Amino acid sequence: ETGVTQSPTHLIKTRGQQVTLRCSSQSGHNTVSWYQQALGQGPQFIFQYYREEENGRGNFPPRFSGLQFPNYSSELNVNALELDDSALYLCASSLAGANEKLFFGSGTQLSVL
Amino acid sequence: AQSVTQLGSHVSVSEGALVLLRCNYSSSVPPYLFWYVQYPNQGLQLLLKYTTGATLVKGINGFEAEFKKSETSFHLTKPSAHMSDAAEYFCAVSAADSWGKLQFGAGTQVVVTP
Repeated sequence: ETGVTQSPTHLIKTRGQQVTLRCSSQSGHNTVSWYQQALGQGPQFIFQYYREEENGRGNFPPRFSGLQFPNYSSELNVNALELDDSALYLCASSLAGANEKLFFGSGTQLSVL
Repeated sequence: AQSVTQLGSHVSVSEGALVLLRCNYSSSVPPYLFWYVQYPNQGLQLLLKYTTGATLVKGINGFEAEFKKSETSFHLTKPSAHMSDAAEYFCAVSAADSWGKLQFGAGTQVVVTP
């Protein structure tokens, strides 16, 4: 048990819709990173939030956006869903710092039909 | 920029046999290297990491990995496989100033046979 919770666990949407995924960080963690894991692939870094500001972004289009709240929980928003957005979305929380361990949630499985 | 290559998408080992999972990386800066394990319907769990110092790193569940700069490798081993080791394993790399921003390999599925 990592203390990182994600909701919902499963979600089905249709192409063109918008979706919001939520992540509750482990207590005291000020950094959250989001990853997309397509079927049969490794996780791909989407972006990171540190103290409510975006702190780095991977190769994802602007329709992927996020928020981090004062309690360090976070949201991932995806607009104009495409079929290729179907994936497991993972969030990971940590303290800031090169030696700090990432704690991953169990993910949200998003299916876009 | 960093990238990771894991050799072999599927590995089958007998219970009690050596587990060897191969990982090669490329990085323009000194890398931080990680091995994660993922069980079905679960998130990722850190097995071990190399940041600086000793190049042989010991992790949880009897796993260890050796950082070999000359070979740009970070292979994962376990002397004796257990049925509970059946899972997917991911090698990952990051730069020292990019905490939390990992570049993962495609993963290796490990099957353990009795």
